[in-house]
Amino acid sequence: DSGVTQTPKHLITATGQRVTLRCSPRSGDLSVYWYQQSLDQGLQFLIQYYNGEERAKGNILERFSAQQFPDLHSELNLSSLELGDSALYFCASSAATSYEQYFGPGTRLTVT
Amino acid sequence: ILNVEQSPQSLHVQEGDSTNFTCSFPSSNFYALHWYRWETAKSPEALFVMTLNGDEKKKGRISATLNTKEGYSYLYIKGSQPEDSATYLCASDNYGQNFVFGPGTRLSVLP
Repeated sequence: DSGVTQTPKHLITATGQRVTLRCSPRSGDLSVYWYQQSLDQGLQFLIQYYNGEERAKGNILERFSAQQFPDLHSELNLSSLELGDSALYFCASSAATSYEQYFGPGTRLTVT
Repeated sequence: ILNVEQSPQSLHVQEGDSTNFTCSFPSSNFYALHWYRWETAKSPEALFVMTLNGDEKKKGRISATLNTKEGYSYLYIKGSQPEDSATYLCASDNYGQNFVFGPGTRLSVLP
């Protein structure tokens, strides 16, 4: 158990809908990262937050947004969902940038 | 966009064999190189974070080296065990490009 929690574990929704994925980092970790793993692709970095501020942005679509709250938990919002958004979404946390990242169990999103 | 490559794509070794894989990354604007171990149906597990040219890190039977000037890192496993079977991922963190993962090396250790 990495100490990073993600909810929900599974999510099934229809195209065009909006969902929110939640991540609680390890106690004391200030940095949160979001990753996407699609069926035919490797791990793709989406976005990083550090102590509430956006630190780095990767291949995140404009339909996706994220934020980190004062209690350091983070939410990833996915809107106008498409079939291609079906994937495993991981959250990871670290004490700071370039420290070891601890991954949560992931949320599997299925868009039908 | 960075291109991070790993070789070989997959590897089958016998229990007790030692093995190594390569991660190649662009050396420009390098910040850090991460290695992860990813077992099927689990989450990636951090092995090492390396930042300095010439860095060598070790965790049990697993070690890694880093060459930032030529843009490569080696991961070594000494005396492979069946429980080492997993996909080994590297990820490069370069200024302005953030994290880019390689495709991974899938290791199978046969008893």
